[in-house]
Amino acid sequence: DIVVTQSPDSLALSLGERATINCKSSQSVLYSTTNRNYLAWYQQKPGQPPKELIYWASTRESGVPDRFSGSGSGTNFTLTISGLQAEDVAVYYCQQYYSSPLTFGGGTKVEIK
Amino acid sequence: QLQLQESGPGLVKPSETLSLTCTVSGGSISPSVYYWGWIRQSPGKGLEWIGSIYYSGSTSYNPSLKSRVTISVDASKNQFSLKLTSVTAADTAVYYCARTVIRALGYMDVWGKGTTVAVSS
Repeated sequence: DIVVTQSPDSLALSLGERATINCKSSQSVLYSTTNRNYLAWYQQKPGQPPKELIYWASTRESGVPDRFSGSGSGTNFTLTISGLQAEDVAVYYCQQYYSSPLTFGGGTKVEIK
Repeated sequence: QLQLQESGPGLVKPSETLSLTCTVSGGSISPSVYYWGWIRQSPGKGLEWIGSIYYSGSTSYNPSLKSRVTISVDASKNQFSLKLTSVTAADTAVYYCARTVIRALGYMDVWGKGTTVAVSS
């Protein structure tokens, strides 16, 4: 199984600050045939299901604010929230879809300081 | 707008079978380029992929659960279902159904609200 590890477990920032969440996979999720990274990011607010934000590591889903961006390749990835808003308080997960079984990171909780 | 809704018992006894159904509205399961999956979330294990199915019935399962899991589809009712046998307390979780993009192993772009299942006598 590909193990997906996120860091930090939590972070508390002031409104307007930049949030950086890291995701590391135990093996590369870059598929050479397609030259795409098989990694997605989700946001989960309390009492709600996860909401998909980004796929192919850096493609923003339609309707997702452009303050959310994804980057990275191979085994190291980052979700950045540029200008933290109150409504961004949530737990964020990364997920690899390179191979079975699909696996998720343990989550990063983002709070307002 | 596509919506998914999980339904089924909220309490299952140990050693019995957990059965859930996901009803898809606002779109059709078939024919489709999408797959349809089940994911669960528990405090102890986080988010765990259970498996997915194509409208034709082709399935992909998490190897860790494969011996106990069956996912089926009823395209005429626009539903797909999950059966998990021989449940224990470790199967207590919120169970989500979701649309899976790209292939059986993909990312999930539309989720149901989830249903809580407790395993207890």
